[in-house]
Amino acid sequence: DVKVTQSSRYLVKRTGEKVFLECVQDMDHENMFWYRQDPGLGLRLIYFSYDVKMKEKGDIPEGYSVSREKKERFSLILESASTNQTSMYLCALGPGGGLAVQETQYFGPGTRLLVL
Amino acid sequence: QKEVEQNSGPLSVPEGAIASLNCTYSDRGSQSFFWYRQYSGKSPELIMFIYSNGDKEDGRFTAQLNKASQYVSLLIRDSQPSDSATYLCAVINSGYALNFGKGTSLLVTP
Repeated sequence: DVKVTQSSRYLVKRTGEKVFLECVQDMDHENMFWYRQDPGLGLRLIYFSYDVKMKEKGDIPEGYSVSREKKERFSLILESASTNQTSMYLCALGPGGGLAVQETQYFGPGTRLLVL
Repeated sequence: QKEVEQNSGPLSVPEGAIASLNCTYSDRGSQSFFWYRQYSGKSPELIMFIYSNGDKEDGRFTAQLNKASQYVSLLIRDSQPSDSATYLCAVINSGYALNFGKGTSLLVTP
């Protein structure tokens, strides 16, 4: 079974703090994604990565950065957390790397972040 | 901005009926289409994908794609209360990133 884990299910941080959200996969996939999900706005792509040390901006990268030093780990960083970054954050594995699409569309369990 | 549109619902159907969920997309070059189910408080789960025009069936689920009209739909036959969830339509426009609609809430009443 595919395993995508995220470092925390729930997180409470203060405004201005630096926040690290981690995503770890056990499938050796190249492509990994970070989304946030908000009521009424749906799922929006923040950043994605096609390989180690590679990153691409998604639709809403402002206020975020990412790190991919190892293939299995993709980290989302909130440089200085703000209240409008309170959201559900979802990591996903994407298609590609020679694998069929249906084998790679997996989401992690999500991290619900509250910024006070 | 490439759009994926869904009716937010809620769509209410009685148990045993057919639920029909619709999605339209703006990018005519889109190639791959997905339906996810998301229960409250959980992450999305892939239930169907379709690439070619026409119908694709998997158990009680049928995905329908019409590229000329730029819509994709999901039919759920013999709907069960356990099918009550939000259904997300997603499209790959380019590369491998998914572009999601905002989801349709489905309620199956006993």
